[in-house]
Amino acid sequence: EDQVTQSPEALRLQEGESSSLNCSYTVSGLRGLFWYRQDPGKGPEFLFTLYSAGEEKEKERLKATLTKKESFLHITAPKPEDSATYLCAVQVGGNTPLVFGKGTRLSVIA
Amino acid sequence: GAVVSQHPSWVICKSGTSVKIECRSLDFQATTMFWYRQFPKQSLMLMATSNEGSKATYEQGVEKDKFLINHASLTLSTLTVTSAHPEDSSFYICSARGEQVRNQPQHFGDGTRLSIL
Repeated sequence: EDQVTQSPEALRLQEGESSSLNCSYTVSGLRGLFWYRQDPGKGPEFLFTLYSAGEEKEKERLKATLTKKESFLHITAPKPEDSATYLCAVQVGGNTPLVFGKGTRLSVIA
Repeated sequence: GAVVSQHPSWVICKSGTSVKIECRSLDFQATTMFWYRQFPKQSLMLMATSNEGSKATYEQGVEKDKFLINHASLTLSTLTVTSAHPEDSSFYICSARGEQVRNQPQHFGDGTRLSIL
């Protein structure tokens, strides 16, 4: 069974304190790994897609990396507006739906 | 970027009422749409997958007669919660994906908060 596990469940950072969120996956065949950001009461907002081990993508203070077993979302010098739940998801087949992890709730304190 | 519009954003109604939620892709043709349910502090639970012009495929444990899905065009899908009861109260989110070009991401609507009294 395809599984996605995110850690930690919750993370509290001081403004400017860099850290990483982890997404480990066990799938039959990875077609893509996706990171989303979700604010309370909103739908997930797409951040990145990673396709193969070694790939990296960046957007402002966020950088996503991928290995054969896990992905990391690195947050550099976070700001309070980065507070949100970050969701990791994988796609394993053609037109199949994403399989989501439970997310990491990030709080950045000023 | 791709935009998915979901309406209404918030519904409060009496038990026994049927509620329809619309999901539209505004700037792309959504060959596939997905409906999710999310409980507080939980991740998204897939309810069903629908392809335009076809019957929806429901996940195990989701009652197809309770949650009616229609995907009549490439830009519109609807979810109707029939004879809703308090246990159906939840946050419902739709998602749409365009043609399968290099694993296009799923884009999400902003969700519908459904409260059944």
